[in-house]
Amino acid sequence: KAGVTQTPRYLIKTRGQQVTLSCSPISGHRSVSWYQQTPGQGLQFLFEYFSETQRNKGNFPGRFSGRQFSNSRSEMNVSTLELGDSALYLCASSLASAYQETQYFGPGTRLLVL
Amino acid sequence: EDKVVQSPLSLVVHEGDTVTLNCSYEVTNFRSLLWYKQEKKAPTFLFMLTSSGIEKKSGRLSSILDKKELSSILNITATQTGDSAIYLCALGGGSQGNLIFGKGTKLSVKP
Repeated sequence: KAGVTQTPRYLIKTRGQQVTLSCSPISGHRSVSWYQQTPGQGLQFLFEYFSETQRNKGNFPGRFSGRQFSNSRSEMNVSTLELGDSALYLCASSLASAYQETQYFGPGTRLLVL
Repeated sequence: EDKVVQSPLSLVVHEGDTVTLNCSYEVTNFRSLLWYKQEKKAPTFLFMLTSSGIEKKSGRLSSILDKKELSSILNITATQTGDSAIYLCALGGGSQGNLIFGKGTKLSVKP
């Protein structure tokens, strides 16, 4: 079974731009969660999607948004980029519940904001 | 406020040593505690614990949850250089209904 894939793997943007990251979950998985990982804050939960609906949301500003498609693929968008948005963005999928089952992580997208 | 605290933050040992990593938590609506290993990019799943006092084992790794003490430990015996990684503890549940991660313990195993 193919694992979680994320594209692109690396991205360089400038302040004020916007960016869209993509995540394809493991086949059959319907829950997709997004995390931001930085050296200072560690892994922080952004949001979770299940069956095309946002089910949970972390404490991030409205510039961070996402969506999920009918095939469970998910996209995350960050508008008006700030230097502090530089981070590794990880996507994880599970069958139905993010904390009652194992979450499988993708390799991440490394975003650098200049 | 939900939080997960891991200790120590970093640890250097020699091959063959036994290590114990700690995870303590304060979280509303506890559902599960998970351990992950992160070597380069993607965290990989190690254990999920939901019941207190039941040890989970996988080879040289084992973990146990103590709900009374609100903590868990991850033990690694006969460490190898390949065990060098960041070990993450995560709580399932909480006010956000998702995983809350600790900052991790960076383990370095010297030959």
